Order: sequence, then C-alpha cells, then structure tokens
Amino acid sequence: QQQVKQSPQSLIVQKGGIPIINCAYENTAFDYFPWYQQFPGKGPALLIAIRPDVSEKKEGRFTISFNKSAKQFSLHIMDSQPGDSATYFCAAGRGSTLGRLYFGRGTQLTVWP
Amino acid sequence: GAGVSQTPSNKVTEKGKYVELRCDPISGHTALYWYRQSLGQGPEFLIYFQGTGAADDSGLPNDRFFAVRPEGSVSTLKIQRTERGDSAVYLCASSPGTWSDTIYFGEGSWLTVV
Repeated sequence: QQQVKQSPQSLIVQKGGIPIINCAYENTAFDYFPWYQQFPGKGPALLIAIRPDVSEKKEGRFTISFNKSAKQFSLHIMDSQPGDSATYFCAAGRGSTLGRLYFGRGTQLTVWP
Repeated sequence: GAGVSQTPSNKVTEKGKYVELRCDPISGHTALYWYRQSLGQGPEFLIYFQGTGAADDSGLPNDRFFAVRPEGSVSTLKIQRTERGDSAVYLCASSPGTWSDTIYFGEGSWLTVV
C-alpha cells in the first residue's frame, strides 16, 4: 500500500510558470516531509524539507506548503526554468531515522523555454 | 571520492544467478541505506545500517536478499536466485548519522535480469 500518494504523474509548464505538485499521506506518525529532485541517470537529491510544526517553508524558488489537518503537502516552484525539468518525489519519514523514507511515485516535470 | 560510489553501474544477469552490488559511502558517514527504484516509481526502502549492524531490514522483499557492512564502511547487497522481477535500479545512500535529515544518494546500480 502506497503510504504517500503523489500527483500529478507528469506536468508541463512554460518557462516562468509555477508548477505545483501535491502529496497526501495517511500515517499521522510521519513528522518529516522532504522533496527530492532526480535527473535521468542520477540519484535523488534533497531539495527542501519541512516539519509539521510550520505551514510553509521557502528556499530560493522552492516552497513547501503543509496542511497538517488535511494530511497534505505540496511543492511550488516559482519562476520555473528549463533546468528544473526533472522528476520530483515527495517523501515522508518519522522518528529519529530521517533517512528511512516512504516515497511517492514521482512527478515528471518538463519546463518549456 | 566525494560522493557515494556504487558498482557496477550496470549489471545484466541470467535468471537464477547470484548478484552482488557494492556501495562505498561518503567517508565518515555512519548511516547507510539501500533503496530499490523500479521504472517509473519512487525509491522503495530495503535496509539501513548504523555502523556495522543492520538496524532495520524490514524492506527486504524476501530471503533471497541480504546485505552486509562488515567494517562499517563499504556495504554489499546480495541477491540470490535472481528473478526477472528483481530488475530495477538499486540505490545506496549515506548520511553522517540516522539523525541527519540529509541523505546523499549514489547514482545507482541498474540490474537487469534476463
């Protein structure tokens, strides 16, 4: 059973657009929610992460919005660039072992120039 | 090297054969993780080590899969009697400790079972 559900599966935007990727979870024990970026042939790389004690976190052009009551979180990419074209994964973790993660199925983002 | 190193990068094997995949973590990292990524899917946790011991192996799919980390550095994932369904990218990641929220993935070992 998929512990973290991610949508959409794929997303195409124009340069400068704001793609939004959504994730939902069921297990209320999760207390760590990272987003990973993966380019073809490479391993995933941590992009940004949030804890449930805040509703939003921003790092550069990337923002996570977190809704604890709805058990949902999303990634927004401001002023998207062709170099942002990649696959994005949301994930969830709990407790003190933050590398033991449950990943969503991924969203393939394409940013047209 | 500076990053997590995995070998081989690609491996084609026949159904029923034995395979070993190696992971060399970032120097000094005590936590090491193995994940499996099937085509079009997110990484799926297999096992993690804190030092030499397997702290959580709950993600190993069955007893054909085994992993070791005898000296607390390099780890080997071993797959016996490979099946076509084992075909995937096997990702290794390491971090300074299990408390660290930043884990560093290698580029993976692409296993194809024919």
